[in-house]
Amino acid sequence: EPEVTQTPSHQVTQMGQEVILRCVPISNHLYFYWYRQILGQKVEFLVSFYNNEISEKSEIFDDQFSVERPDGSNFTLKIRSTKLEDSAMYFCASNRGLSYNEQFFGPGTRLTVL
Amino acid sequence: AQKITQTQPGMFVQEKEAVTLDCTYDTSDQSYGLFWYKQPSSGEMIFLIYQGSYDEQNATEGRYSLNFQKARKSANLVISASQLGDSAMYFCAMRDAGANSKLTFGKGITLSVRP
Repeated sequence: EPEVTQTPSHQVTQMGQEVILRCVPISNHLYFYWYRQILGQKVEFLVSFYNNEISEKSEIFDDQFSVERPDGSNFTLKIRSTKLEDSAMYFCASNRGLSYNEQFFGPGTRLTVL
Repeated sequence: AQKITQTQPGMFVQEKEAVTLDCTYDTSDQSYGLFWYKQPSSGEMIFLIYQGSYDEQNATEGRYSLNFQKARKSANLVISASQLGDSAMYFCAMRDAGANSKLTFGKGITLSVRP
């Protein structure tokens, strides 16, 4: 069964460093999302992406964040200058589009900022 | 703005019994969707069940059913015949009118299944 994959599973970085989190959505899906979950808290929406552009973003998704679909398969989230409060689990999700409702989540990348 | 409320701090159920996890929501949209996801200790988010606001029948998926009461704005998850593997965090989520729009999550409920 096709699934969303994410790499790395765990990333440790120093404050101020840039990180890129990678996702491979399900191949025939059209909508892509990033969510984050700070430890012990609820899942929060960051950004959605469709047709090679951002369709919606939350107030969390400030100028430090960017997303890209550099080729036909990868979907990346870049944090330019990480802060301690960026430590969280980051989930990528994808959706087939049209009338399909399910968002399929990847296993997540745990980001730890020291 | 949409809001999902999950107030149960933690739930315990005996193996093989049924359990209901509560979820209430608030929205001004007429068209919306409600979801339940399971998050085991390993951290992944597993889709369980979906209910559309215009669906007249309650959604069912195997041992999972969604008790949708539109007038009360509630979308409770019912798990029948609980298994030890059901022990996890459960999140209720909502999307607004666009079928592909973002999900808004509640804070989750921890379910522990006792042998």
